[in-house]
Amino acid sequence: KQEVTQIPAALSVPEGENLVLNCSFTDSAIYNLQWFRQDPGKGLTSLLLIQSSQREQTSGRLNASLDKSSGRSTLYIAASQPGDSATYLCAVNSGGGADGLTFGKGTHLIIQP
Amino acid sequence: EPEVTQTPSHQVTQMGQEVILRCVPISNHLYFYWYRQILGQKVEFLVSFYNNEISEKSEIFDDQFSVERPDGSNFTLKIRSTKLEDSAMYFCASSLRDIYEQYFGPGTRLTVT
Repeated sequence: KQEVTQIPAALSVPEGENLVLNCSFTDSAIYNLQWFRQDPGKGLTSLLLIQSSQREQTSGRLNASLDKSSGRSTLYIAASQPGDSATYLCAVNSGGGADGLTFGKGTHLIIQP
Repeated sequence: EPEVTQTPSHQVTQMGQEVILRCVPISNHLYFYWYRQILGQKVEFLVSFYNNEISEKSEIFDDQFSVERPDGSNFTLKIRSTKLEDSAMYFCASSLRDIYEQYFGPGTRLTVT
């Protein structure tokens, strides 16, 4: 059974810093990995999708990498801003087809102004 | 930009009552999903739906749950006889293809008293 772990559980950094969020998964046979952002009491906003054949994806100040063989992904946020404060979730699609995503518990990020 | 919508945003019901949660997926998407998130816990997959039938379901999705696409735009989750432990945020998601990016709605907060 696929398990997804995110480290750290919480992170607080000053504005302007670059930071890295980590995600690991136990079964490397994945189809894709998706990073989401969740604001308190709100839905999930998709940030980046990496297919299993890709090594990284970039969107603006965000860069996600995938090392499928070692079961790891990182989300790099450059020049952090207070508006980046949220919980960041990592989710993997292990089954292909219309299998659901398996989520980690998230990293709660606070960017101090 | 197209988005997934869900109604109601908050539903309060008494134990044993039936509830129907509604979702309007993105119009050209073919795959539909329901997830739930109990307060403080991970987002969990419930069921996926494609071509007017259930494609995959988790062990959470027991006989108390059912899904339906009653017309060309709506996708519903029915809980027949709610229990206290059904209290959670329920998210609908859709994707164009099975291993494409999943887009989530804002969620329906279900409170069972």
